[in-house]
Amino acid sequence: DVQMTQSPSTLSASVGDRVTITCRASHHIYSWLAWYQQRPGKAPKLLIYRASSLMSGVPSRFSGSGSGTEFTLTISSLQPDDFATYYCQQYNTASVTFGQGTKVEIK
Amino acid sequence: EVQLVESGGGWVQPGRSLRLSCAASGFTFDNFGMHWLRQIPGKGLEWVAGIPWNSYSVNYADSVKGRFTISRDSANKTLYLQMNNLKVEDTAFYYCAKVRAELDLIDGFDFWGQGTMVTVSS
Repeated sequence: DVQMTQSPSTLSASVGDRVTITCRASHHIYSWLAWYQQRPGKAPKLLIYRASSLMSGVPSRFSGSGSGTEFTLTISSLQPDDFATYYCQQYNTASVTFGQGTKVEIK
Repeated sequence: EVQLVESGGGWVQPGRSLRLSCAASGFTFDNFGMHWLRQIPGKGLEWVAGIPWNSYSVNYADSVKGRFTISRDSANKTLYLQMNNLKVEDTAFYYCAKVRAELDLIDGFDFWGQGTMVTVSS
């Protein structure tokens, strides 16, 4: 299986901050990577697919980049709604795998 | 509006069986791959099983292979997960999710159900 490693596990930030989350794959996955946001008690929400394609309706302050084994999710100016847990997911193989999550907390 | 509604969760003893259902609406069910995922409360996401739009070549996580069976019914637009020989470590919220891209087995999951809790305990 492809192992996905996210960093950091927890991130403390303030409204307006620029935030970057990193996801590393144990094997080359081309651009087959998605990012999700999950709020407490809710199902995950797809933000980005194919490493950098923004889902319809997702604010443009979210962006994704990378290919191969290293990927980033950037929030250009953190908003109150963005305090949540973020997961990366690879889908290069039929057995998809997720990173362990990054919790974005209020500083 | 796309809707996925899971049902069938509950409490069950180890070794017993349970069948989860996921009723789909608001999209052409027959054209999309569907998956089951799970999440222990407070923990991360784990993929469980996936089935393509044509039901060919289903896939399972190693942790459930040989015990769980994913299937789909196009007439009723419903996805199923038959879970046999349940273990304590299968305790989690179970979500069904729709693949974003038409006719692809895997992609990002653009719609998720609300989840159904499965508790395996003696």
